[in-house]
Amino acid sequence: DTGVSQDPRHKITKRGQNVTFRCDPISEHNRLYWYRQTLGQGPEFLTYFQNEAQLEKSRLLSDRFSAERPKGSFSTLEIQRTEQGDSAMYLCASSLSSEPYEQYFGPGTRLTVT
Amino acid sequence: GQNIDQPTEMTATEGAIVQINCTYQTSGFNGLFWYQQHAGEAPTFLSYNVLDGLEEKGRFSSFLSRSKGYSYLLLKELQMKDSASYLCAVRDAGNNRKLIWGLGTSLAVNP
Repeated sequence: DTGVSQDPRHKITKRGQNVTFRCDPISEHNRLYWYRQTLGQGPEFLTYFQNEAQLEKSRLLSDRFSAERPKGSFSTLEIQRTEQGDSAMYLCASSLSSEPYEQYFGPGTRLTVT
Repeated sequence: GQNIDQPTEMTATEGAIVQINCTYQTSGFNGLFWYQQHAGEAPTFLSYNVLDGLEEKGRFSSFLSRSKGYSYLLLKELQMKDSASYLCAVRDAGNNRKLIWGLGTSLAVNP
């Protein structure tokens, strides 16, 4: 399967703990995006990379959130000191950096903070 | 500001045709996407419009009017498996090519 993959698919953690998610994009895609989605809402943009450079980070993202893409391939999203409000589906998508920049999504990581 | 409006819910009958509308007010425009999302799954790409007019792809068609800030997704010969959320997303005109997402329209197809 050459689609976008994410790991883990589900994560249950206690408030205050740190969690890290991984995303492996489609291999030839140099753009990678992270979104958060809650029930009944559209995806909420968190951040995106072109190759290893993080080009934009949402103002909604607190400093508890950090993302890396060290070699321009896979990416990790870390949430420190998790809060119950962080419970959501975290989606990763990738695209080429050429028209139409169509984004392909991974299956998501569902985070539950108890 | 950035705003994308879609109806929250729609209901249709198997075999029928349904049109899902999307209006947008964004600071820039560089294309509009429609995605389908089944419950608990990730969004999957359906269509892309950057010029005015109709794009047809099998049972699904999408229309764009840039002057009116309006698009619709037309689903023909509805099947039960078409029950899903349909998301409209506008691509920013800036260099980041970021997508601005609507909240989605939940479509229920009844027998």
